Amino acid sequence: EVQLVQSGAEVKKPGESLRISCKGSKYNFTNYWIAWVRQMPGKGLEWMGIIYPGDSDNRYSPSFEGQVTMSVDKSISTAYLQWTSLKASDTAIYYCARLRGSGTYVSDYWGQGTLVTVSS
Amino acid sequence: DIVMTQSPDSLAVSLGERATINCKSSQTVLHRSNSKNYLAWYQQKAGQPPQLLIYWASTRESGVPDRFSGSGSGTDFTLTISSLQAEDVAVYYCQQYYSTPWTFGQGTKVEIK
Repeated sequence: EVQLVQSGAEVKKPGESLRISCKGSKYNFTNYWIAWVRQMPGKGLEWMGIIYPGDSDNRYSPSFEGQVTMSVDKSISTAYLQWTSLKASDTAIYYCARLRGSGTYVSDYWGQGTLVTVSS
Repeated sequence: DIVMTQSPDSLAVSLGERATINCKSSQTVLHRSNSKNYLAWYQQKAGQPPQLLIYWASTRESGVPDRFSGSGSGTDFTLTISSLQAEDVAVYYCQQYYSTPWTFGQGTKVEIK
C-alpha cells in the first residue's frame, strides 16, 4: 500500500533552521503532487502548498510564501519542508499528503505528521 | 482566496441518528468545463492525520461506509452521516480544490450525545 513516512518530532529554538522530510513508497513518487498542511495546536487544517516531484513545479499559499521552502529529492522519493529562521508561531503538526492526480487533486494518502515545537 | 465556512462548529448527535454538516464557499467551486464541484470532505480522528471521505462533492472514497454522503453544488454543500456510529466521532473538514490556495473550512466537531 502507498505510504508516506515523515521524519520525527523536532524541538527547536526561535531563529534556528529546520528541514523535515516525507518519504513516499509503494507508488511512483515522481508522478504525484505532494501537499503540505499545517495544523497548529488545537486548530484546523491550513493548506501550505504543493510540489511536483517530477520537475519541482510548485504552488505556495500566499500565507506561507517566503516563510517556508518546499523541495524534493526524487532520487530518494522524499519531499522536504524547510525553514531558515523558526518562530514560536511555527509550532504545529505538519502533514504531507499525496494528491491523487488525473484531475482529482484530493489528498488520498497522508503522512503521520511531524510535530515541530519552537520554544526558547 | 476562496473562504470556506462550515456550520455548525460542533454538534452532538445520538447514536444511530443523522448528523448534518454544512459548508459554504465564498465563490463557486463548480467548474463549468466538466460540471464538477471541486469540493472534498475529510475526517480527522483525535491524534490521527485526516482521511479522505468524499470528493467531487458527492463521490465516496473507496472503503468509506455508505452512511457517509455528500451533496450540494456551486457554493453550498452538505456532508451527511445517516446513522451516527461511535467510530464517527471526529472533526470533519471541507476543502475546495478549485483554485489555489486550496482552502479548508474551520472544521466541525462531531460528538455523541
